[in-house]
Amino acid sequence: DAKTTQPPSMDCAEGRAANLPCNHSTISGNEYVYWYRQIHSQGPQYIIHGLKNNETNEMASLIITEDRKSSTLILPHATLRDTAVYYCIVRAMNYGGSQGNLIFGKGTKLSVKP
Amino acid sequence: DVKVTQSSRYLVKRTGEKVFLECVQDMDHENMFWYRQDPGLGLRLIYFSYDVKMKEKGDIPEGYSVSREKKERFSLILESASTNQTSMYLCASSLVSVRLATNEKLFFGSGTQLSVL
Repeated sequence: DAKTTQPPSMDCAEGRAANLPCNHSTISGNEYVYWYRQIHSQGPQYIIHGLKNNETNEMASLIITEDRKSSTLILPHATLRDTAVYYCIVRAMNYGGSQGNLIFGKGTKLSVKP
Repeated sequence: DVKVTQSSRYLVKRTGEKVFLECVQDMDHENMFWYRQDPGLGLRLIYFSYDVKMKEKGDIPEGYSVSREKKERFSLILESASTNQTSMYLCASSLVSVRLATNEKLFFGSGTQLSVL
């Protein structure tokens, strides 16, 4: 699986957009980009995933560069409840089922401030 | 919404006890997982299952076993609890869909904080 690089921490003002970058320069053509977050004392929460097109859902937008070597997770209007550790994960699609070991790494600790 | 329910939020056990951690999901997912999370070590996969009665070892299966008799339920068993098994245990499930690429779209439970004394 491609390795990902994320900044260890970021701050964002409440109500502003939070843009969380992720570098995955060794990504392969069949690897997807997944984003999760973990709020303190809770289990990780799936946010969004994509292959090459930009994706949007009710939680966030995912922008993947044309060369797919990096991506940005955008929380359009961050709230205090978005304070969490955000994980960017790259995984290939396994047609036989899950590969099992989703590696979460250290992620980016996002602090949303009033 | 998918719900993954873990039987206990906090659990305190004695060394040598047999411990059962139960996990139930309500969305008919094929895949189920058990992770443990420790400070500085992140999430580590213990076991996963992609079907009833099927199981695969993860990175740290030693000292653990699992049971999946029904699709919705995945149990983690500590045969003889030890102090180094004190940890946060997280159960997760995912739907197998090649078209939607959801194999790795995991839904997690709230976790069980296990303390072994």
